[in-house]
Amino acid sequence: GAVVSQHPSRVICKSGTSVKIECRSLDFQATTMFWYRQFPKQSLMLMATSNEGSKATYEQGVEKDKFLINHASLTLSTLTVTSAHPEDSSFYICSARDPDGTEAFFGQGTRLTVV
Amino acid sequence: AQSVTQLGSHVSVSEGALVLLRCNYSSSVPPYLFWYVQYPNQGLQLLLKYTTGATLVKGINGFEAEFKKSETSFHLTKPSAHMSDAAEYFCAVSRPGGSYIPTFGRGTSLIVHP
Repeated sequence: GAVVSQHPSRVICKSGTSVKIECRSLDFQATTMFWYRQFPKQSLMLMATSNEGSKATYEQGVEKDKFLINHASLTLSTLTVTSAHPEDSSFYICSARDPDGTEAFFGQGTRLTVV
Repeated sequence: AQSVTQLGSHVSVSEGALVLLRCNYSSSVPPYLFWYVQYPNQGLQLLLKYTTGATLVKGINGFEAEFKKSETSFHLTKPSAHMSDAAEYFCAVSRPGGSYIPTFGRGTSLIVHP
């Protein structure tokens, strides 16, 4: 199957700083990528849908100014958590829709800890 | 609108026993259905998917699932559990038509006892 690489896998940052998470499709072009947040022992919560060359579509309740998404190329989407606070600590996962549009491939996730 | 219900947040089996993880869905159109596995601190890996055609779908690692429209179910099974199957399993539903945006169930934690 296709490979989606997410980096970094773990990051610790101080409150008030910003953190950027990268999501790359390695062997296919992804016009659409998804960003999820997962709380411990819970399911994935869709945060936003990222479309190459256009603004991301955010789910209700997700702060656009806090979670900045950029999808500048067909193989790269980034999520920047701005002015991070401890409550932003979570597991963030990206996925990229395959060219056929019938499924998506997931990155390995990023464990963000804000101290 | 679409939704997924996974019955049982935890399922415990002995090694070598049958694995059955339940998933029921709700969808206003014929759905695409998926099962994913997640190991600790990792992303999701696709086990199998149903889009069209044969209702019994075989996936990786010996897992299979059967789409039953009359029961709106897509239960995941494996004849013989292995210790390495211990993980979190997610059922997901999406709409066909090239617009994959899945809705995930809450997940079922599979525990395998030696």
